[in-house]
Order: sequence, then structure tokens, then C-alpha cells
Amino acid sequence: NAGVMQNPRHLVRRRGQEARLRCSPMKGHSHVYWYRQLPEEGLKFMVYLQKENIIDESGMPKERFSAEFPKEGPSILRIQQVVRGDSAAYFCASSLRTDDTEAFFGQGTRLTVV
Amino acid sequence: EDQVTQSPEALRLQEGESSSLNCSYTVSGLRGLFWYRQDPGKGPEFLFTLYSAGEEKEKERLKATLTKKESFLHITAPKPEDSATYLCAVGRGSTLGRLYFGRGTQLTVWP
Repeated sequence: NAGVMQNPRHLVRRRGQEARLRCSPMKGHSHVYWYRQLPEEGLKFMVYLQKENIIDESGMPKERFSAEFPKEGPSILRIQQVVRGDSAAYFCASSLRTDDTEAFFGQGTRLTVV
Repeated sequence: EDQVTQSPEALRLQEGESSSLNCSYTVSGLRGLFWYRQDPGKGPEFLFTLYSAGEEKEKERLKATLTKKESFLHITAPKPEDSATYLCAVGRGSTLGRLYFGRGTQLTVWP
């Protein structure tokens, strides 16, 4: 049973470009969570999605960031017009149910904005 | 404001030297307290979930305990392979998957 798959593992973007981060949850999991880990900081919640629905986006920056989890395919975190402050590790986690006892994390995508 | 504070920030132990990591929290409506291990360049790996004060869980050399205000991760006779960053997180409300993380304790165990 494959774990949470994120790609790419590393992504380099120039300022002003778009970054697309993908997350395929564990098989059978329909709840996806995105977190961001800035250097020297803890993991910060960004958004919680179920298939075709955004449940909680209270941790998402108001501008340039969006997320989706379509009926078919992976969840996508999109960052438009990236800035150097967006450089971070972005982690995706998935769970079977909303009250599940644990969320399984992927290996992360490390975004570097140059 | 909900807060999760871990101490110490870094800990160096000699192999076999037992110690404890602390996680204190001020969160309303706690639904669960989670411990994760994170190796450099990797995602967090789940270790334990604790739900109520007095609860304890063990896994190999690790034992997690929970009180009303804090949790401890006890490491007994650690080995170099236990070196990692240990993260504490709390879940609240109806969505356990939304976790509030501390900054972690970086543990180094030297031979």
C-alpha cells in the first residue's frame, strides 16, 4: 500500500512564476491536508480538502495561493506569482476519516524561489 | 491563542543516556495530542496519539505520557538511530487532521 505521494520532491521557480505541487493521498483516503514548513519554524496548517470540496482554508494566504482536490486525480496546491518568501517545504497529509487517529504525511515538496 | 511549545529545542545524548522531551500546550477543546518523528529531508512519521490525561503509550524505546497541560516523550537507552527531530502536535474540534505543531526538539544521540 503506497503511502502519500508528493511530486515533485524539489521545485525551483523564478520570482513571478507559478508553482504547482501535487499530492496523491493513500489509497482509500478522501481527506487531504496541506502544511507549510518554513525554515526554523514549525509545520503550519494551510488547507483541508475532501473530494471536490474545500472544508477549511483558514491557514491559506489570502492571495496567490489556491488548492483543489478533484474527483479524479491528485490534490493540487497552486502558488501564483511566487516570491522568495514562499520558499519552504510543503507537506501533504491524508486520512481515512475526519476523526481518524492519525494523518499520514508525504515526503514533501521543497520549493525554492530564486 | 492556541499554542504548542516544545522543549528543549535541541538535545544531545550519549547512547544509553535516557531523557525526556516536553510538549506543553494551551489549546481549547483538545481532541488528541500527537507525536511525530521527522528525519532530515523527510515527512513526519507518526508515533503516538494520546487522547486523555493519564494515558500512556509505548513503542520500543519511546514512551509518551499526557497530563492536562503537557506531554512527555521519554526515551530510554537511546541509540544513534533515534536521532531525529521529534514533533508534538495537537488536534482540536471536529477535524483531527488539522494539527497545531510545535517547533520540535532536535535529538542527537552519539555513540
